[in-house]
Amino acid sequence: TQLLEQSPQFLSIQEGENLTVYCNSSSVFSSLQWYRQEPGEGPVLLVTVVTGGEVKKLKRLTFQFGDARKDSSLHITAAQPGDTGLYLCAGAPFNTGGFKTIFGAGTRLFVKA
Amino acid sequence: DVKVTQSSRYLVKRTGEKVFLECVQDMDHENMFWYRQDPGLGLRLIYFSYDVKMKEKGDIPEGYSVSREKKERFSLILESASTNQTSMYLCASSGRGGYTDTQYFGPGTRLTVL
Repeated sequence: TQLLEQSPQFLSIQEGENLTVYCNSSSVFSSLQWYRQEPGEGPVLLVTVVTGGEVKKLKRLTFQFGDARKDSSLHITAAQPGDTGLYLCAGAPFNTGGFKTIFGAGTRLFVKA
Repeated sequence: DVKVTQSSRYLVKRTGEKVFLECVQDMDHENMFWYRQDPGLGLRLIYFSYDVKMKEKGDIPEGYSVSREKKERFSLILESASTNQTSMYLCASSGRGGYTDTQYFGPGTRLTVL
């Protein structure tokens, strides 16, 4: 079974704090995607990382793809209440042909004002 | 602006009823997907379609069927709804980009089966 494990499952922090969430697998991925989902809405894509070791920055969000392409992390600097939501990582394992995207269970982040 | 719409945001049905969930995308995408999302389990793929009238089973197809008669519309059918099908159902679409193509999601339908 190919799994994407996300940790932590839940995180409650104060506004202004930094945080990192993780997405790990024993499978190799050609790319990994990070989505953010707000209550009652569908997931919205934040970023896709493609190259092993790649680092992408999106304002206060920094995404990293592991060298072995089995893991990824999302770091948020100076979190704000607007960052509250469910963060999902997703990817198509290298040997599945491209359509079989799997999703992690998500990290639920709550940022208190 | 890209758009995926789902016919209902909330739906309540009784056990044994036939349920139709409709999804429409306006991006001329080849690929469409149906997922269900349950707490702690993430998104699980039910079915996907890579072309009109073409469909493939995902990871949890049991109890579901799908229909894609037109490129923009992908329907999920619960032939005889059961309580364990209470869930959030998400539709998505993507172009022909393969691994890195973005999946665009609809707002979801929260289905409760009593």
